[in-house]
Amino acid sequence: ETGVTQSPTHLIKTRGQQVTLRCSSQSGHNTVSWYQQALGQGPQFIFQYYREEENGRGNFPPRFSGLQFPNYSSELNVNALELDDSALYLCASSPGPRTGGNTGELFFGEGSRLTVL
Amino acid sequence: SQKIEQNSEALNIQEGKTATLTCNYTNYSPAYLQWYRQDPGRGPVFLLLIRENEKEKRKERLKVTFDTTLKQSLFHITASQPADSATYLCALDGTSGTYKYIFGTGTRLKVLA
Repeated sequence: ETGVTQSPTHLIKTRGQQVTLRCSSQSGHNTVSWYQQALGQGPQFIFQYYREEENGRGNFPPRFSGLQFPNYSSELNVNALELDDSALYLCASSPGPRTGGNTGELFFGEGSRLTVL
Repeated sequence: SQKIEQNSEALNIQEGKTATLTCNYTNYSPAYLQWYRQDPGRGPVFLLLIRENEKEKRKERLKVTFDTTLKQSLFHITASQPADSATYLCALDGTSGTYKYIFGTGTRLKVLA
């Protein structure tokens, strides 16, 4: 069973640039959620993708966008980077959008550390 | 407004003692509440889940309680070890019954040898 993998692990950008972060979900999982974690804070929900469609969004501006592919992998894109976008970006996969009969556990990757200068 | 609150101050305890961490929430009606462990620079790792109709859940040295009247969960680590030092996050399903989990800010635990 392959776990959640994210790339790149670290990257540095300057204000105004654009960034794309990638995530491969755990085998058998069709739902991917993205979180932003600033230093010393808990993860903040950005959005969730299910069957290639956005399935819920947190309080983030439209310059945060995403994609999900037929193999359930996902991308997070951030345009017009700002200094406050510096954070650890976490991808989490789940076997569906609803907990239902599942265990309810979110499976996280190790994150992509973005620094905006 | 909706809030999930954990003790923001670090908790230092002696090895062998029981660590108790608190998670309080307002204006949520979660079906599930979870606890995760996070080590510096790493992704969170799932520890325990407790459902709204459960009062207590145990797993080895870990115990979680869930009081939907008080809107509070307590997380206990018994016989704590230095290896238990980490940040512990509580999370609840912001939209009940879904995987859209909302996290608290976490409590940093340090177990002193």
